[in-house]
Amino acid sequence: AQSVTQLGSHVSVSEGALVLLRCNYSSSVPPYLFWYVQYPNQGLQLLLKYTTGATLVKGINGFEAEFKKSETSFHLTKPSAHMSDAAEYFCAVSETGSGGSNYKLTFGKGTLLTVNP
Amino acid sequence: DAMVIQNPRYQVTQFGKPVTLSCSQTLNHNVMYWYQQKSSQAPKLLFHYYDKDFNNEADTPDNFQSRRPNTSFCFLDIRSPGLGDAAMYLCATSSRGGLTNYGYTFGSGTRLTVV
Repeated sequence: AQSVTQLGSHVSVSEGALVLLRCNYSSSVPPYLFWYVQYPNQGLQLLLKYTTGATLVKGINGFEAEFKKSETSFHLTKPSAHMSDAAEYFCAVSETGSGGSNYKLTFGKGTLLTVNP
Repeated sequence: DAMVIQNPRYQVTQFGKPVTLSCSQTLNHNVMYWYQQKSSQAPKLLFHYYDKDFNNEADTPDNFQSRRPNTSFCFLDIRSPGLGDAAMYLCATSSRGGLTNYGYTFGSGTRLTVV
C-alpha cells in the first residue's frame, strides 16, 4: 500500500528565504509523485509531478522537486519565497492500476507554509 | 476556462436532510473522483468512477452515494448528513493515463455545513 509522510505540519519562512517542504513516500511499485497547492476555500492546484525520466522536476511559480529513489523522498523547494506562496501544500503518490491507467491518489497530511514580510 | 466545475461552492444543509453535490467537467476525462477534506486534514478518497464502473473505498460510509449519468457529470449524494460530514468535498478527474499520467484536475470544491 502506498503512503506519504510530510515532515512538519507548519513551516514558516521570511520573504526571500529558501522554501523547503519535505515529503517521503512508501510504494510497492515505481510511484508517480505530485505536489499540489491549496489556497483557502479552494481546490487543489498541481504544482509539479514526477512520472519517469529526469529526477529534478520543475513546476509552476518557481517551485521544483527532486525524486530520490534511494531516500524515498520528493522534497519541494523554491529558492526565494514570495508572500503569495503562503498556502497549504500537499504531497501525493499515485500507483497505476490495472491497464496502466491513472488510479488512486494518496495524499500526505499537508504542510501549511507561512511567509513573513 | 474552468474545466472541473463544482456546484454549489457553499452548501448548508440540515442534520438528516439529504443533500446532493454536483460536479461537471469539460475535459472528457474517463475517471472522476470524490474526495472529502475535513478541516486541516488531507483529502480522503470516497469513491471513483472509471467510465461507468463505480469503485467504492472500503471505509466510505454507506451514507455516501454517487451517480454518474454521463461522462461529463458526477453527483455525490449524502443520504442523512450528520455533523461529522461537514467538510470540503472535492471532485477531480483524470484521463486514462499509463505513461502519460498527468495527475488529477480538481474542482474548486463545495464546502458543506450541517446545521
